[in-house]
Amino acid sequence: ILNVEQSPQSLHVQEGDSTNFTCSFPSSNFYALHWYRWETAKSPEALFVMTLNGDEKKKGRISATLNTKEGYSYLYIKGSQPEDSATYLCAFYDDYKLSFGAGTTVTVRA
Amino acid sequence: GAGVSQTPSNKVTEKGKYVELRCDPISGHTALYWYRQSLGQGPEFLIYFQGTGAADDSGLPNDRFFAVRPEGSVSTLKIQRTERGDSAVYLCASSLTSAREQFFGPGTRLTVL
Repeated sequence: ILNVEQSPQSLHVQEGDSTNFTCSFPSSNFYALHWYRWETAKSPEALFVMTLNGDEKKKGRISATLNTKEGYSYLYIKGSQPEDSATYLCAFYDDYKLSFGAGTTVTVRA
Repeated sequence: GAGVSQTPSNKVTEKGKYVELRCDPISGHTALYWYRQSLGQGPEFLIYFQGTGAADDSGLPNDRFFAVRPEGSVSTLKIQRTERGDSAVYLCASSLTSAREQFFGPGTRLTVL
């Protein structure tokens, strides 16, 4: 069982503020790290697939960085909006299956 | 185009009953996965299909769980003699091949009373 950890478990952010949170994963046998956003009653939505050490990807106000040597990835939300409220999951790609962290639940207060 | 769909969205059953959960993957996706998310945890892998065959069922918790994909498209996850500990959100995902991005359905929330 792969150990994928996310912190914090939850956080509350004021609208307009920026925030970030962490995913840590095994640094050996790395192939890819996936980030998903999961809103209540909806399908988990793929945000990023990160494969290269030093990778930085951006989608609107959300961006992510990757450090495969030390085994961590950060997800950043700039200028948080209420629609950013969701659970953010990272997943370590292990051959064909994903090993997920428990997620960081973000609540944006208006 | 249509995404991954799952039915039912919610299922409430009594301990000891049999349930079936259905997954309709994206058309043309050969790989299909089932995951289970219990309260407070991330989704956990259950089973992976490549075409019609189960390539890896190592995540199924015990022999009460079984899944099929007879025509290489729709998949059904079957749970016999349900227990309260089976209560969870069951997620299905599909991908074009096993090495590509996985697209998830909205899940089936199973509650065993």
